[in-house]
Amino acid sequence: SQQGEEDPQALSIQEGENATMNCSYKTSINNLQWYRQNSGRGLVHLILIRSNEREKHSGRLRVTLDTSKKSSSLLITASRAADTASYFCATDARAGFQKLVFGTGTRLLVSP
Amino acid sequence: DSGVTQTPKHLITATGQRVTLRCSPRSGDLSVYWYQQSLDQGLQFLIQYYNGEERAKGNILERFSAQQFPDLHSELNLSSLELGDSALYFCASNLGGGVGNEQFFGPGTRLTVL
Repeated sequence: SQQGEEDPQALSIQEGENATMNCSYKTSINNLQWYRQNSGRGLVHLILIRSNEREKHSGRLRVTLDTSKKSSSLLITASRAADTASYFCATDARAGFQKLVFGTGTRLLVSP
Repeated sequence: DSGVTQTPKHLITATGQRVTLRCSPRSGDLSVYWYQQSLDQGLQFLIQYYNGEERAKGNILERFSAQQFPDLHSELNLSSLELGDSALYFCASNLGGGVGNEQFFGPGTRLTVL
């Protein structure tokens, strides 16, 4: 079973617009990670935010985490056609060795 | 390129058969993770090995087993295959050791069971 639910399931925008994806999860976490997957390929790590952090930036990416609401959001600014992919949040609840639990994913389509 | 390799890329087999998927982690990584991605179940964690030992287990069926060898490569064995086992199987690796950090994913093996 999946820990996270992502919203929206699919998002279609124009190049230059911002894209926001939301992730909700069920249990307490140590950290939350966002991954990107191009069609049928392996996942690529984008950003990790720890449970004691509220916001993190990496290039055009901004991630927020609200542990009281058990939710996170990923904002991609000034989107490009190359950002077209599926985006997954993954929660890591274990204190010891990792056991990532992935959300359902958001399919992002950026049109030129 | 993540540095994680998986073979084969594609595998087509029949129900009831047994297959072995292979994963070589990034140089220096001690942990290997296996995931299954299917349309109905999404991306599911199966099992993790750290330096040859099993460390965490997820939704792995009893028909499935894995191991990590002394050279740190890992194999996932799937037996008595069913149609529902058709999926993308990914392995990922990282240094491991209990510190939460990113995982590096291989390109996956697409398994089709006919």
